[in-house]
Amino acid sequence: AQKVTQAQTEISVVEKEDVTLDCVYETRDTTYYLFWYKQPPSGELVFLIRRNSFDEQNEISGRYSWNFQKSTSSFNFTITASQVVDSAVYFCALSGGGGKLIFGQGTELSVKP
Amino acid sequence: GAGVSQSPRYKVAKRGQDVALRCDPISGHVSLFWYQQALGQGPEFLTYFQNEAQLDKSGLPSDRFFAERPEGSVSTLKIQRTQQEDSAVYLCASKPRGLAGGVTDTQYFGPGTRLTVL
Repeated sequence: AQKVTQAQTEISVVEKEDVTLDCVYETRDTTYYLFWYKQPPSGELVFLIRRNSFDEQNEISGRYSWNFQKSTSSFNFTITASQVVDSAVYFCALSGGGGKLIFGQGTELSVKP
Repeated sequence: GAGVSQSPRYKVAKRGQDVALRCDPISGHVSLFWYQQALGQGPEFLTYFQNEAQLDKSGLPSDRFFAERPEGSVSTLKIQRTQQEDSAVYLCASKPRGLAGGVTDTQYFGPGTRLTVL
């Protein structure tokens, strides 16, 4: 079965701290895709990144970085120098059969000024 | 607007009423998905359309849930005889291609419809 686990339900940090959101996945597929989405209070899921199973290079985009480790089935997300605007719920997702997404439970990040 | 739109944004229904939720995908997108997101949970897959064909409805929780996309663009999710456990946010997403070429495509989500059943 395919599954995504985000063990951290809530994280609270002070502005400018670095924070890492953990994601662990399970799948028997050899080819798959992993995603991170951000869900601000407005409710819309905002796409952040997509990574395929053959590409284990880390990626950096501004203050965001992602660490994909196939050996541990993890796809962690780090925000450097967090800002209040980063406050949101973040979801990790795995592409399932037929293209549907399998989401984790989400991590609610609160960045305090 | 170029994004996915959904209407209504909020819907309150009395238990037993029927509701219809609409999704307008990004123009030209072949694939359309519906997800249900309960409070404090991640979205869960309900059903998938490729053009007008409903290829996967394995996530629909009961036969009270019905979805259609008759012309391959706008989709409607209908819930008959609503129950309190149907209260959730219903999200629609679309992506450019179908199954054959679209495994890599990113799904783009609408703002959702928050359904409250009293």
